[in-house]
Amino acid sequence: QKEVEQNSGPLSVPEGAIASLNCTYSDRGSQSFFWYRQYSGKSPELIMFIYSNGDKEDGRFTAQLNKASQYVSLLIRDSQPSDSATYLCAVNDYKLSFGAGTTVTVRA
Amino acid sequence: EAGVVQSPRYKIIEKKQPVAFWCNPISGHNTLYWYLQNLGQGPELLIRYENEEAVDDSQLPKDRFSAERLKGVDSTLKIQPAELGDSAVYLCASSLRGRDNEQFFGPGTRLTVL
Repeated sequence: QKEVEQNSGPLSVPEGAIASLNCTYSDRGSQSFFWYRQYSGKSPELIMFIYSNGDKEDGRFTAQLNKASQYVSLLIRDSQPSDSATYLCAVNDYKLSFGAGTTVTVRA
Repeated sequence: EAGVVQSPRYKIIEKKQPVAFWCNPISGHNTLYWYLQNLGQGPELLIRYENEEAVDDSQLPKDRFSAERLKGVDSTLKIQPAELGDSAVYLCASSLRGRDNEQFFGPGTRLTVL
């Protein structure tokens, strides 16, 4: 089992809708969780991090963490065409472990 | 402030040839990482440096890959000889010491082995 699993996608949503991205991780002791955005041909950039159970909101992005279920998600509200990218979930134990990513396309 | 700089951005070589990638981290960042990213996958850590010391190279295929960071600033990753399966994007990232939760990535080097 891979350390970090993401819903495979691709995910296509209309402009203005909510995009929901899911991620599960295998190490119950993991403490810190990240969402990176990667545009095609570009390097990953950090958009959210979350350490505690519950929700964390930053603008149109909300990260949700449930350590008991070993589950972390990212919601993108009011999706814009500029949100079209691959979103990578990452878990930091002794190193940063990334999922394979979910590609999101926002249709204008 | 300049970000992480990598060169070259693209490299095409024939199999069995050597290749080297260079990375200059953000000024003041003690920690430097090399990642490999295959198409459709997330980055995978190859090696992590704290200053000039390689503190985690467990994922580095040491039969053909080597890395150095002699003065604790810029770093070079080398492959010799390259194989077809080495075609990927090689990403360098850096962070402040103890702040590996806040890694900044360079643009990467896209390697194609023919």
